[in-house]
Amino acid sequence: KNQVEQSPQSLIILEGKNCTLQCNYTVSPFSNLRWYKQDTGRGPVSLTIMTFSENTKSNGRYTATLDADTKQSSLHITASQLSDSASYICVVSSIYNTDKLIFGTGTRLQVFP
Amino acid sequence: KAGVTQTPRYLIKTRGQQVTLSCSPISGHRSVSWYQQTPGQGLQFLFEYFSETQRNKGNFPGRFSGRQFSNSRSEMNVSTLELGDSALYLCASSLARGGGSEQFFGPGTRLTVL
Repeated sequence: KNQVEQSPQSLIILEGKNCTLQCNYTVSPFSNLRWYKQDTGRGPVSLTIMTFSENTKSNGRYTATLDADTKQSSLHITASQLSDSASYICVVSSIYNTDKLIFGTGTRLQVFP
Repeated sequence: KAGVTQTPRYLIKTRGQQVTLSCSPISGHRSVSWYQQTPGQGLQFLFEYFSETQRNKGNFPGRFSGRQFSNSRSEMNVSTLELGDSALYLCASSLARGGGSEQFFGPGTRLTVL
């Protein structure tokens, strides 16, 4: 069964610190992996999209990495800000069923001053 | 370019009633997908419409239905509401069908069933 698992479920860090969120998936063969940021009560916003041939992709202070061999991805946030407090969702699509996305349950990040 | 819009933003209904939610995609986008989001379950896929046809459906009962119009606007209907239908309903639009094309989400409709 195609699955996407994220860890940790929740994370609390102090403003200015770095953090890394993890995403493990069993989707195979894999087409692309996305990271979304979702503020409370709002729709998710795309941070990065990576295909199987990409190892890393950055969007400002957000850097996503992908290891297609181990089926792992991480999202690294540098110099966190209060506005980074949100849920981060990892989403994977399969080559065989490219029109279906498989969502992780997300990591809830809270940044405190 | 305007983003995805959803109306209404908030809705309160009672058990047994029905509700219709609306989604206007980004101009030029032909695919609209609907998701239900609850605190414990994350985003659950409801269905996807492309060129006025339902292309994919998630594991939801027949009380959940939808349609897409010729201008790509989409509506979602839930009949005989249950308490468990309380959730944030999100729609997402994309140029092509879901997995191969970036999806842009709307702000969602918060449905509360009393």
